[in-house]
Amino acid sequence: AQSVTQPDIHITVSEGASLELRCNYSYGATPYLFWYVQSPGQGLQLLLKYFSGDTLVQGIKGFEAEFKRSQSSFNLRKPSVHWSDAAEYFCAVGAGWNQGGKLIFGQGTELSVKP
Amino acid sequence: DTGVSQDPRHKITKRGQNVTFRCDPISEHNRLYWYRQTLGQGPEFLTYFQNEAQLEKSRLLSDRFSAERPKGSFSTLEIQRTEQGDSAMYLCASSSLGRTMNTEAFFGQGTRLTVV
Repeated sequence: AQSVTQPDIHITVSEGASLELRCNYSYGATPYLFWYVQSPGQGLQLLLKYFSGDTLVQGIKGFEAEFKRSQSSFNLRKPSVHWSDAAEYFCAVGAGWNQGGKLIFGQGTELSVKP
Repeated sequence: DTGVSQDPRHKITKRGQNVTFRCDPISEHNRLYWYRQTLGQGPEFLTYFQNEAQLEKSRLLSDRFSAERPKGSFSTLEIQRTEQGDSAMYLCASSSLGRTMNTEAFFGQGTRLTVV
């Protein structure tokens, strides 16, 4: 069955510190992978995506993620966290275009940033 | 283009009442998705349309739920005889089916439903 696991429910980091959010997926075919961010009461904003090619992908707001097929992982990283990064982060795996393109989300990781 | 628009943003209803939500996708996006998100959880897929055709429905979509997308433009999601368990954020997303792969889905800000 297709699934996404985000092992960390809540992470707190100090402003300026580096960040890594973990994501593991289970998917039978080549996955399309996404990271979204959600502020309280808001919809989801796409940070970055991986469809194919270079396994290190760059996104908006200084985020990057690395696809590791051998580990079934797609971890999100940022070298220096800003207070405005505090939000909920969701990893998702997408069905291929010929399977509808629906997304399967992890439970999310809530990020808190200490001053 | 102002993105995916959802209306209303918030809805409080009494148990047993019917509610209807509207989603306006990004212009010319031919795929439209509905997701439900409960507190502390990631969004869960409910259903999707390609143009006006509803191509897949999740088991989460009980027979009290119905979605439509007339003319392949906006979509509505109706919940009949609401229950307290229906309280959630209902998210709409749209995407464009490209020649070789689907592009990313763009999400609306959601409709927060509270059933009292």
